[in-house]
Amino acid sequence: EIVLTQSPATLSLSPGERATLSCRASQSVSSYLAWYQQKPGQAPRLLIYDASNRATGIPARFSGSGSGTDFTLTISSLEPEDFAVYYCQQRSNWPPDSFGQGTKLEIK
Amino acid sequence: EVQLVETGGGLIQPGGSLRLSCAASGFTVSSNYMSWVRQAPGKGLEWVSVIYSGGSTYYADSVKGRFTISRDNSKNTLYLQMNSLRAEDTAVYYCARDRKELGYDYWGQGTLVTVSS
Repeated sequence: EIVLTQSPATLSLSPGERATLSCRASQSVSSYLAWYQQKPGQAPRLLIYDASNRATGIPARFSGSGSGTDFTLTISSLEPEDFAVYYCQQRSNWPPDSFGQGTKLEIK
Repeated sequence: EVQLVETGGGLIQPGGSLRLSCAASGFTVSSNYMSWVRQAPGKGLEWVSVIYSGGSTYYADSVKGRFTISRDNSKNTLYLQMNSLRAEDTAVYYCARDRKELGYDYWGQGTLVTVSS
């Protein structure tokens, strides 16, 4: 089973700042990595698939990069609605499916 | 418009059974991979089970032998039969359309299962 490790666990930033979230896989997942955003009381929402492709309706300030074992989700300029928990998910070797433990993006 | 609506959650005693339903609209369940994902209170996401369009099913080790995923094509509905429930099964259960390498593009709103005496 592929283990995904996200860092940092918590990221404290202000609106307008740039956010960089990391996801590292225990073995190569090629480009088969997705990112999700989850707000309190809501279901997760797909942001990025295949490491760098934005899902339908996702603003351009969200971008993904990486391949192999190291991936990054970048939010270029934080909006108030971006403060949430972010999860990565590998889609290379499944089932079983695996998610990272999440990064909480909080307002500084 | 694609929509997934889960029902069937509730409070159940340890050792009991519960069946969750996920009614889909806007697409055909049987033509897609469909997954269940759960989230314990205050915790992260945990994959539970998947059913392939061809009918193959897979389970997380934590639920294997106790949970069964299925679908009713005539009702366009996905199910999760949960038996021998344990306290550690307490979670919000989400169904999701599984686009394989592209991730889960649609999720239901979730249904809460609480296992407690």
